[in-house]
Amino acid sequence: NAGVTQTPKFRILKIGQSMTLQCTQDMNHNYMYWYRQDPGMGLKLIYYSVGAGITDKGEVPNGYNVSRSTTEDFPLRLELAAPSQTSVYFCASSTRQGSNFKAGANVLTFGAGSRLTVL
Amino acid sequence: AQTVTQSQPEMSVQEAETVTLSCTYDTSESDYYLFWYKQPPSRQMILVIRQEAYKQQNATENRFSVNFQKAAKSFSLKISDSQLGDAAMYFCAYRGNAGNMLTFGGGTRLMVKP
Repeated sequence: NAGVTQTPKFRILKIGQSMTLQCTQDMNHNYMYWYRQDPGMGLKLIYYSVGAGITDKGEVPNGYNVSRSTTEDFPLRLELAAPSQTSVYFCASSTRQGSNFKAGANVLTFGAGSRLTVL
Repeated sequence: AQTVTQSQPEMSVQEAETVTLSCTYDTSESDYYLFWYKQPPSRQMILVIRQEAYKQQNATENRFSVNFQKAAKSFSLKISDSQLGDAAMYFCAYRGNAGNMLTFGGGTRLMVKP
């Protein structure tokens, strides 16, 4: 069982270049997320999706775009890369939150991370 | 918006000893979940323990336990019988009623001395 798979693991970009970070999960999870982690800091939510065809902004969405055409895939696109986007990016997924909030905390499963450097 | 604060950037513990990592949070919600995640050098995020706010009993997972003080909005992690493999970054995280998104603290780096 692969869980959440992110590619690439490492990438160096020049300022102004564009790229897509790929994320795939094989657990049939409805919810998917992209977080970024700056050096010595906690994770900040970039975008999330509650199901195929639905995406929404998180805390730090500027400079990024996402799409969710299938349940399995949630790519993150960087347009016009800037040095401020140098970070480690994490994709995560979880099951749908039940109608009863107290039914249980749907735990996030994280990918291994993608280290992006913009020079 | 909710905030999560970890006031200890670094902590050190002797192997086999006990260490407590602090976390405070700010929220106006009454129902929520709290988590501790471990991030070893491999960068993988690993769930250590979670606590439901409506439960008064503190969660325990083997050598890991929490001290949840709802009124004080405090959620500390106690690691007993520390092992070298416990060395990692530890993140406290909050999840409220809306959606399933986590808000993370800034992390505490735990070093374990042999």
